[in-house]
Parts: sequence; C-alpha cells; structure tokens
Amino acid sequence: DTAVSQTPKYLVTQMGNDKSIKCEQNLGHDTMYWYKQDSKKFLKIMFSYNNKELIINETVPNRFSPKSPDKAHLNLHINSLELGDSAVYFCASSQTTSQGELFFGEGSRLTVL
Amino acid sequence: SQQGEEDPQALSIQEGENATMNCSYKTSINNLQWYRQNSGRGLVHLILIRSNEREKHSGRLRVTLDTSKKSSSLLITASRAADTASYFCAERAGATNKLIFGTGTLLAVQP
Repeated sequence: DTAVSQTPKYLVTQMGNDKSIKCEQNLGHDTMYWYKQDSKKFLKIMFSYNNKELIINETVPNRFSPKSPDKAHLNLHINSLELGDSAVYFCASSQTTSQGELFFGEGSRLTVL
Repeated sequence: SQQGEEDPQALSIQEGENATMNCSYKTSINNLQWYRQNSGRGLVHLILIRSNEREKHSGRLRVTLDTSKKSSSLLITASRAADTASYFCAERAGATNKLIFGTGTLLAVQP
C-alpha cells in the first residue's frame, strides 16, 4: 500500500490550459503539503493544510488553488498554465504540523509547452 | 531567500569510502532533518535531530548539529553504490513550523 500517492505521475500540456494534480495519504496524518521542485532541484513549499484548514500559503500566484476535501486528500488545481510552471510537484504529509518528519509522494512532473 | 545551503553541491567517491555533507541554515530551528532523493523519486526521511541535540546516529548515518554556527553535517560511512542519490537538509522553524529545504548535495558512489 502506497502511503502518499499522487496522480498523474506525468502531465504534458499547452500554455493556457488548466490542470489538476490529486494526492491521497493513507497514514492517518493530519497535515498535508504541496512542494514544488524546479529544474535545479530546489524544493519550495507552496501550501500546507491541517485537518482541511489552510495554514501555510507561500507567495504563490493566484492561478494555483489547493483544495482539501478531507484530511486524507489534498488536490492542486492550476489555471492558465505558464512555461515557468514546469516542475515536479510533490505532495507530502506529516502526523501534525509541528516537529515530525514528512512522507512524500513520488511526484508529478508537469511540462508546459 | 530562506533556503539553507549545502556543501558540496556534488560529491563523487568510491564504494567503501565515507561521505560528508554539510548544511548551513538561516533561522532558529526546532529541529533539522535529512532526506534522500533517488533520481526520479520522492524524498525519503533519513534522520531528525532536535535543536537540543548535538549528535545522532542511525545505522551508517551520523548527523551532527551546531546551533551556534547554524550548521549540520551528515556522514555516511562505508558507502555503497546504492547510496547514490541527492541528499537534502531541512529546517523546521518559525511559528508555522514549516519545513524549509536546503539546496541539496548530489552524491555519486562509484562501484
């Protein structure tokens, strides 16, 4: 059983399109995250939710909208895709918001043409 | 940028040798964590060291923390080809306890 699973693994799309990435965790964790890893492998946090409540919202364009229907799911919708959105997006979860380790999904590689 | 820095950016060693990676961070941390990322995969947690700890071991891994210098190091002893990966430090800090990742070290272990 995969602990943190995200779909799709690969996404190739044209500029201007809208796309979504889905994430589910079966660890019973309270907190979920979206991270973006660029081509230089820099990882930056985008959003964090705790029990469906948004607690971290970094400086991310409004075109990115996370949604957490329940504490086991965190989806990411991106409107009007731009070339610079090309990256690997990682979902992660942790037991709580504080102290503990993160469990990562395998990543969703988004390529915008 | 809040992002910490790791040194070296890339490291190539022979199997059996030790590998040392260094991390400098910028804030007052709650804890510092190390992660491994194999090519094309997600990150995997290796070890966590709290701000009041100075050294921690886990198998072939040894982590040290110097809060006065805002630095940490990861030592992998008796390296294996399977240790080839990128290694990231990450600091848990701030009111929201967000995890901020360093720039990473790419380790290549030659068989």
